[in-house]
Amino acid sequence: DAMVIQNPRYQVTQFGKPVTLSCSQTLNHNVMYWYQQKSSQAPKLLFHYYDKDFNNEADTPDNFQSRRPNTSFCFLDIRSPGLGDAAMYLCATSRRTGAIANYGYTFGSGTRLTVV
Amino acid sequence: AQSVTQLDSHVSVSEGTPVLLRCNYSSSYSPSLFWYVQHPNKGLQLLLKYTSAATLVKGINGFEAEFKKSETSFHLTKPSAHMSDAAEYFCVVSDTGTASKLTFGTGTRLQVTL
Repeated sequence: DAMVIQNPRYQVTQFGKPVTLSCSQTLNHNVMYWYQQKSSQAPKLLFHYYDKDFNNEADTPDNFQSRRPNTSFCFLDIRSPGLGDAAMYLCATSRRTGAIANYGYTFGSGTRLTVV
Repeated sequence: AQSVTQLDSHVSVSEGTPVLLRCNYSSSYSPSLFWYVQHPNKGLQLLLKYTSAATLVKGINGFEAEFKKSETSFHLTKPSAHMSDAAEYFCVVSDTGTASKLTFGTGTRLQVTL
C-alpha cells in the first residue's frame, strides 16, 4: 500500500547531540511537511517542501533544518537538541496541482523524540 | 488568515450515546476542512474531509460532519459511541488561498465510559 513511513518510531538522543529523523513516501506526492507536536498540543508546522522548494515557517528555530534529496525522502535535522525539543515529529505529504489546489494529505505514524 | 476553534477541550460520553465534537473555523478563502483522530502515541488518521462538494460529509467508523457556512462550523458527530473511539480529535482547515498549509485546532479529547 502507498504510504508515508517514518523511522525510527522512537528516538532517544543526548542533549546537544545532532539527530536526524527520516520520512519516506510511496505516494509520489510533490509536497512534504514536518510537524512538531508537543505533549497535549496540536501539531505545529515547522516547514515544507514543494518539490525542491523549501518553505520555512517564520517561527521555526534555526536549530531545525530539513533536506529533501529526492521526491521520496525528506529528513529533519536537529543540530543541537534541547530538552524543549522533546516531542512527536510528524511527516506528512500532499499532492499540489497549481497555485491553490492541494490534495490527499497523508500523515506518517510519527517519531517520538526524547532528549536526555 | 485561517484559524480553527475547537470549543471543547474534553468531552465525555457513555458508550452507545451520541458524540458531538464542535469546531468553528475562520478562513479568507473557500476552505477545505478535515477531522483527524489520534490515538495515544500514534500518528494522525483522517476521519473525513470537506472540499466544497456535499455539505454533509460521511467518514470512517460511522463519523460524519456537516459544513455550515452561515455558522462557520464543521461539527463532528457519531450516533453511537464505542470504547475504541476514545482518542484525541483535531479539526483542521486548509485555506486554498495559502495552499499547502494545514491549521490545526487545539484538539478535543474524547473519553468513552461504560
